Amino acid sequence: IAGITQAPTSQILAAGRRMTLRCTQDMRHNAMYWYRQDLGLGLRLIHYSNTAGTTGKGEVPDGYSVSRANTDDFPLTLASAVPSQTSVYFCASSRTSGRSGELFFGEGSRLTVL
Amino acid sequence: LAKTTQPISMDSYEGQEVNITCSHNNIATNDYITWYQQFPSQGPRFIIQGYKTKVTNEVASLFIPADRKSSTLSLPRVSLSDTAVYYCLAHQGSVNTGFQKLVFGTGTRLLVSP
Repeated sequence: IAGITQAPTSQILAAGRRMTLRCTQDMRHNAMYWYRQDLGLGLRLIHYSNTAGTTGKGEVPDGYSVSRANTDDFPLTLASAVPSQTSVYFCASSRTSGRSGELFFGEGSRLTVL
Repeated sequence: LAKTTQPISMDSYEGQEVNITCSHNNIATNDYITWYQQFPSQGPRFIIQGYKTKVTNEVASLFIPADRKSSTLSLPRVSLSDTAVYYCLAHQGSVNTGFQKLVFGTGTRLLVSP
């Protein structure tokens, strides 16, 4: 089934280590997003990309970086992980045209930083 | 972006109709109202969207009064599988830029019991 694929599904990471969460979509959507979800705080936008080659900062970008070399891939990198980055991370995409407000989400990557 | 307020949690029993109300007092003229559903360990899923009056699909109905300061998601005859978190969003209707700025609050946690 087409959609968003995230990897890894879960990961335990030592503080200070570098980690890249992978996200791939096969729907040819122009826009992609990274959210983090924490208990009691809902989903918060980390970074987004309007189209390949462009990225932008969301609500909580500090400590994270993204790249968008092509339409399909949108990796999220934690250069030096800290315990406060323990969270569930969701990648999403949306079409440029068509219904507004409709994002397609992946299954999430659960990251634990010790 | 219009701020939305919805109950933190609701309880129901199988076969009952569930209505979740969301308030968005400062909604803008061109804002749409969209609802998402999130099951445990999954990403959010778009379920319904509306601008005014009533919208119905195979999953739910959405009622929006004339003043648009609130909306009600109606789930007919819920089952155990409807146990999830439901998010109400108010957002711009235009997707010209591709990127859609959506703010997910903490949502309403619906628990359906036998």
